[in-house]
Amino acid sequence: QVTLRESGPALVKPTQTLTLTCTFSGFSLKTSGMCVSWIRQPPGKALEWLALIDWDEEEYYSTSLKTRLTISKDTSKNQVVLTMTNVDPVDTGTYFCARTASGSAQFDHWGRGVLVTVSA
Amino acid sequence: DIQMTQSPSSVSASVGDRVTITCRASQGVSSWLAWYQQRPGEAPKLLISSAFNLQSGVPSRFSGTGSGTDFALTISSLQPEDFATYFCQQADSFPITFGHGTRLE
Repeated sequence: QVTLRESGPALVKPTQTLTLTCTFSGFSLKTSGMCVSWIRQPPGKALEWLALIDWDEEEYYSTSLKTRLTISKDTSKNQVVLTMTNVDPVDTGTYFCARTASGSAQFDHWGRGVLVTVSA
Repeated sequence: DIQMTQSPSSVSASVGDRVTITCRASQGVSSWLAWYQQRPGEAPKLLISSAFNLQSGVPSRFSGTGSGTDFALTISSLQPEDFATYFCQQADSFPITFGHGTRLE
């Protein structure tokens, strides 16, 4: 059974760095074709893809956010970590991690999401 | 970046209706197109991958068509649990991009 769970702070101050962790089970990020992404959703708005890391440790980022994002993985802990620097209130939203298998970048399993509010 | 344009942004329908949502890519994405359903307060759920492949457990009233730049999601006979928001997503190239969503109400 594949599961993913996001964790991180509920409240972050502007200009701080946000660190989110995705802990997963039921698959290995060492398996060819497996990838984990981060996707966010401001309240009442659309989904926005942020970053992806694959089984081969290749990293891919949103064009508009790539200077602020870093994605990494700890295969031994079954975790993927996203850091976002210099947060702003517009970064408020629910952050999801999601898995893609077979390298197709279509997200077949999602975590429940974590709501992050950026406010002073 | 590939822009994904969904239409309509919202649609009013009733149980039993047939509904079609369209998604247009700003450049060709072959068949690398996914559809998701999202109910309020929940994570998105993958309904259809690679333009027309129905995911396991998804009712057969959902179907997907299209390739290249023009795609459609059809629900043949709306059920109460289908009233949700639907998103398309291109998986052809990075950065991955989503449509802005269609709210079915």
